[in-house]
Amino acid sequence: GAGVSQTPSNKVTEKGKYVELRCDPISGHTALYWYRQSLGQGPEFLIYFQGTGAADDSGLPNDRFFAVRPEGSVSTLKIQRTERGDSAVYLCASSVTGDALSYEQYFGPGTRLTVT
Amino acid sequence: AQKVTQAQTEISVVEKEDVTLDCVYETRDTTYYLFWYKQPPSGELVFLIRRNSFDEQNEISGRYSWNFQKSTSSFNFTITASQVVDSAVYFCALSEGPERGNKLVFGAGTILRVKS
Repeated sequence: GAGVSQTPSNKVTEKGKYVELRCDPISGHTALYWYRQSLGQGPEFLIYFQGTGAADDSGLPNDRFFAVRPEGSVSTLKIQRTERGDSAVYLCASSVTGDALSYEQYFGPGTRLTVT
Repeated sequence: AQKVTQAQTEISVVEKEDVTLDCVYETRDTTYYLFWYKQPPSGELVFLIRRNSFDEQNEISGRYSWNFQKSTSSFNFTITASQVVDSAVYFCALSEGPERGNKLVFGAGTILRVKS
């Protein structure tokens, strides 16, 4: 079956611009996660959705970052006034559910964001 | 606080050698979940295994085996008879479950290079 998909695969933007990154989870997965991975490091948690609501957004670095999941499926990560330090690979993951056990999360290929 | 330490930054072996990747974790919870992921050069994180804290049985899957020891807070991963295709970055991760949002806390990763 189809895995987690993310678009675009690469995004180059200028400092100060607004960007949107899209994630399409595995069909039927109710839990969705965003992580950020800088070069040479492990992924770092940003935000977790259970259904349509953000159950935990404690990893968002500041108020320039925002994410939505209006219909409980596709999610969009939005970054305002981008800075060079935002350059990283943004990873999306989904799992069967997030409200019982900690099920395994399946990751998408990521969006590589470069802020010039 | 949650923390995962992968002390080995990089390991190089020759094909057919056995190799063990170390993972040490810290958590305040009695119920938690441990994971290993593989990130090949293509970049996509591949789920390998999940282990619950209440199940200390070691597991073997083909050439892969995992040794979970609560007494030393370690969850080590051994590849037997390594192959060139095993070359990747391997991440160990910890989740404290749904009460803490199921977010994964990753180690910094271990780069494994298998030479022919």
